[in-house]
Amino acid sequence: EVHLVESGGGLVKPGGSLRLSCAASGFVFGNHHMNWVRQAPGKGLEWVASITRDGRHILYADSLKDRFSISRDNPTNSLYLEMSSLRAEDTALYYCAREGVGANGGSFDHWGQGTLVTVSP
Amino acid sequence: SSELTQDPAVSVTLGQTVRIACQGAGLRTYSANWYQQKPGQGPILVIFGENNRPSGIPPDRFSASRSGDTASLTITGTQAEDEADYYCQSRDSSGNPVLFGGGTKLTVL
Repeated sequence: EVHLVESGGGLVKPGGSLRLSCAASGFVFGNHHMNWVRQAPGKGLEWVASITRDGRHILYADSLKDRFSISRDNPTNSLYLEMSSLRAEDTALYYCAREGVGANGGSFDHWGQGTLVTVSP
Repeated sequence: SSELTQDPAVSVTLGQTVRIACQGAGLRTYSANWYQQKPGQGPILVIFGENNRPSGIPPDRFSASRSGDTASLTITGTQAEDEADYYCQSRDSSGNPVLFGGGTKLTVL
C-alpha cells in the first residue's frame, strides 16, 4: 500500500526557514515524479513544485521559485521542500503528492495527510 | 489565461445527478483531473485523463467530460458520502504547469 508521510512543519517566525520531508513507502519511489501542494486554512489547493523521477528537472509555481527548493533522495525514498524567507501567507498545510505514470501521468494519484506550517510572530 | 474557474458551491438532492464545472483556456488542449477532499483529509483522485477512474472509485457514479474550455465532473445517484470539496486540475501551457481550480463545495440535501 502506498504511504506518503510528511513531517517538519511547525511554527516559524516571518523571515525564517523550514525544511519539510516526505517519507514514501509501498511503491518504487524512483519511478514517479513527485510534487508539493499546499492548502492555506479554509482555502483551495495550490501547487508548489514538482521534481522528475531522477531529480534532474524541477518546476516551481512562479510566485515561489525564489524562496522554495524541492529535492529528493531516491535511495532513502524521501522528498524534501526547503522554504526560506517565510511569510504569513505561506501558512498552510503542505502535502506531498505522487504523480501517476502512463495514462495516469499528470495527475496526483496518492497524497499524504500533510504537515502544517504556521508563519507567525 | 492561467486560471481554472469553478463555482464555489453546488447542492444536490440525495440520489440525483450533479455536474461540477471547471472552466479555463488550457482545457481546450489538456484534460482535467478531479479530486475529492473531505474535511480533515487529504485529497483523493477520482478522475484522471478524459474519463478514467482509479481503482476503488465507483464507475457508475463518477464520470467526466470536456467540451471547449470547460471540463465537467458528473456524479450520478449522489450519495451522502459524496459531500465534499471537489477540485479540478490541469495544465496551463503559457504559465504554471500545474493548475488547480478554486474548488466546489458539494452539499447533498
